[in-house]
Amino acid sequence: DTEVTQTPKHLVMGMTNKKSLKCEQHMGHRAMYWYKQKAKKPPELMFVYSYEKLSINESVPSRFSPECPNSSLLNLHLHALQPEDSALYLCASSQGDNRVVGGYTFGSGTRLTVV
Amino acid sequence: AQSVSQHNHHVILSEAASLELGCNYSYGGTVNLFWYVQYPGQHLQLLLKYFSGDPLVKGIKGFEAEFIKSKFSFNLRKPSVQWSDTAEYFCAVINTGGNQGGKLIFGQGTELSVKP
Repeated sequence: DTEVTQTPKHLVMGMTNKKSLKCEQHMGHRAMYWYKQKAKKPPELMFVYSYEKLSINESVPSRFSPECPNSSLLNLHLHALQPEDSALYLCASSQGDNRVVGGYTFGSGTRLTVV
Repeated sequence: AQSVSQHNHHVILSEAASLELGCNYSYGGTVNLFWYVQYPGQHLQLLLKYFSGDPLVKGIKGFEAEFIKSKFSFNLRKPSVQWSDTAEYFCAVINTGGNQGGKLIFGQGTELSVKP
C-alpha cells in the first residue's frame, strides 16, 4: 500500500459545527503532516508529527486541533471555523523523522467549505 | 529563512513547444528537491525528485530537471508539451539539517496553459 487516504473528500460545515478530517497511511512512515492549500496557491504547512509527537506547529489558530492516535493515523479536529478557512486540506507522510527524509506522499485532500 | 522562487507565474505555450520552468532556492546546505504537478481540481502528484548523484533527473510523463548547485537552481524541462500538461507546477525543497530540517517548502507555483 503506497497511498495516503483522506476522508472525507468534501466537507461543508457551519461556523458553529465541530468536524474532523482523517488521514491514514500504511507505508510505515513515521512523519505525518497537515497542509492547507488555497486555490492557485502553494500548500502551506500547518503541523508536523514525528513518531506520533507534534514537532512543528506553524502558528495555526487553536480552532484547528491535530491528533495522532497512532503511527498510521492523523486527525485534524475543526471547531468554530471561519469562511476564510475554506480550502483544500492535504495530509502527507514521509519515511523518517523531520531531519532525514525522503519524498513526501500526499493524499488527495479534503475540500472544506465553511458556510 | 529557506525560500523557493519560481520565476514564472503563468506560462502559455502551444502544443509541441518546449518547456522550461525556473526554480531557485535560497538554502545553502544539503537539500532534497522536488517538482509536483497539480491538474485542475486534483491533488498533488510527484513528477520527479533529486536527492543525490546524477544532477539530471528524469521523471514521469517525459519531464526532466537539472540540479545546478552553483546556481541553486532546479529547472523543469519537457521537450514537447501536450494539451494534457495544462496544470499548476510546484517546485519544492527540503533541507536535511538545521532547525527547519524536514520541512517541505513550496514555491509559489507556475500555471502552465497549453493551447491545442
